[in-house]
Amino acid sequence: AQSVTQLDSHVSVSEGTPVLLRCNYSSSYSPSLFWYVQHPNKGLQLLLKYTSAATLVKGINGFEAEFKKSETSFHLTKPSAHMSDAAEYFCVVSADNQGGKLIFGQGTELSVKP
Amino acid sequence: GAVVSQHPSRVICKSGTSVKIECRSLDFQATTMFWYRQFPKQSLMLMATSNEGSKATYEQGVEKDKFLINHASLTLSTLTVTSAHPEDSSFYICSAGLVRGHIEQFFGPGTRLTVL
Repeated sequence: AQSVTQLDSHVSVSEGTPVLLRCNYSSSYSPSLFWYVQHPNKGLQLLLKYTSAATLVKGINGFEAEFKKSETSFHLTKPSAHMSDAAEYFCVVSADNQGGKLIFGQGTELSVKP
Repeated sequence: GAVVSQHPSRVICKSGTSVKIECRSLDFQATTMFWYRQFPKQSLMLMATSNEGSKATYEQGVEKDKFLINHASLTLSTLTVTSAHPEDSSFYICSAGLVRGHIEQFFGPGTRLTVL
């Protein structure tokens, strides 16, 4: 069975400092992995996705994530946080054999202090 | 491209009434649409998966007679919350699936339902 665990429910950083949001996954199949961002009372926006191509994935707004099979991790990073990055972030795993069904992590709330 | 809309964005209704939420893929055809529910400060929980022209597949614990899903065309799916109660108050989000080697989901902006 597929599952995803976000290791931190809340992360707080200062503006201009690096961001690290941690995610571990479990999958019986070669997974597709995603990071989505959700601003308050808004829908989800795709930041980046891994679909068995390059293990270092670059996304929008300066975010990137590295797929590490040996560690079953897909951590999200950004070199320098901006105030507008404050939001909820979801790590998501998909197993194609389930017809595109997505399994969401519990979410990490990112706060950015001025 | 790959824009999904939802209507309404917010709805307030009285207990016992029914509410319909529309999900549209504006610039692509979606053979599969998904409906999620999100409670405050929680993650998204998949409610059901619907394929155009066939019955929806509901996740365990989701009442199919309470949450009616219709996917009559490749660009429109509707979720009807029947006989709504305050505990049905939630943020409902749909997504439309686009096949790009695998199925990629594009999310709507969500509908905030408040049942009084």
